[in-house]
Amino acid sequence: DTAVSQTPKYLVTQMGNDKSIKCEQNLGHDTMYWYKQDSKKFLKIMFSYNNKELIINETVPNRFSPKSPDKAHLNLHINSLELGDSAVYFCASSRATPNYGYTFGSGTRLTVV
Amino acid sequence: AQSVTQPDIHITVSEGASLELRCNYSYGATPYLFWYVQSPGQGLQLLLKYFSGDTLVQGIKGFEAEFKRSQSSFNLRKPSVHWSDAAEYFCAVAYNTDKLIFGTGTRLQVFP
Repeated sequence: DTAVSQTPKYLVTQMGNDKSIKCEQNLGHDTMYWYKQDSKKFLKIMFSYNNKELIINETVPNRFSPKSPDKAHLNLHINSLELGDSAVYFCASSRATPNYGYTFGSGTRLTVV
Repeated sequence: AQSVTQPDIHITVSEGASLELRCNYSYGATPYLFWYVQSPGQGLQLLLKYFSGDTLVQGIKGFEAEFKRSQSSFNLRKPSVHWSDAAEYFCAVAYNTDKLIFGTGTRLQVFP
């Protein structure tokens, strides 16, 4: 059983399109996150949700809109895709406090052409 | 501002040699500390973590890390590297904000 699963694994799309990435965790964790890994491998948090409530929004363009229908799911919708959005997007989850660690999904490689 | 520094962008070692990857964090409070590994095209796998207690922590795959408060460091070590250890290694810290802050990563290359 995959703990944190993301779909799709690869996404190639044209500039200007709108796309979504889905994430689900079956660990019973309360908090979920989206991270972006750029071409230089740098990982930066975008959003975090705790039990469906937005907790962290790290100066991400408002073209990016996370949605959490329940605490096991956190989806990322991106409007009007730009070339600079090309990256690997990782979903992660954790319990309420950091000492339990964070579990990451396998990533979604988004390529905007 | 909270930050994590991994001074070595790229390290090359021979198989069987020992390894130490450096990590320093800023900020006064003791954070929760993590090391993750990312193999090419893969996700992030937790190697080990520290949040209190014994400052030398053991992880998976034969890795260990030592927390040194006086140096604000959490260096990762392995006594004998295997070719399969070639990957990108990330040090990360978290405080009570639940936000995991990553270093820039160290790419490990292993020669036979």
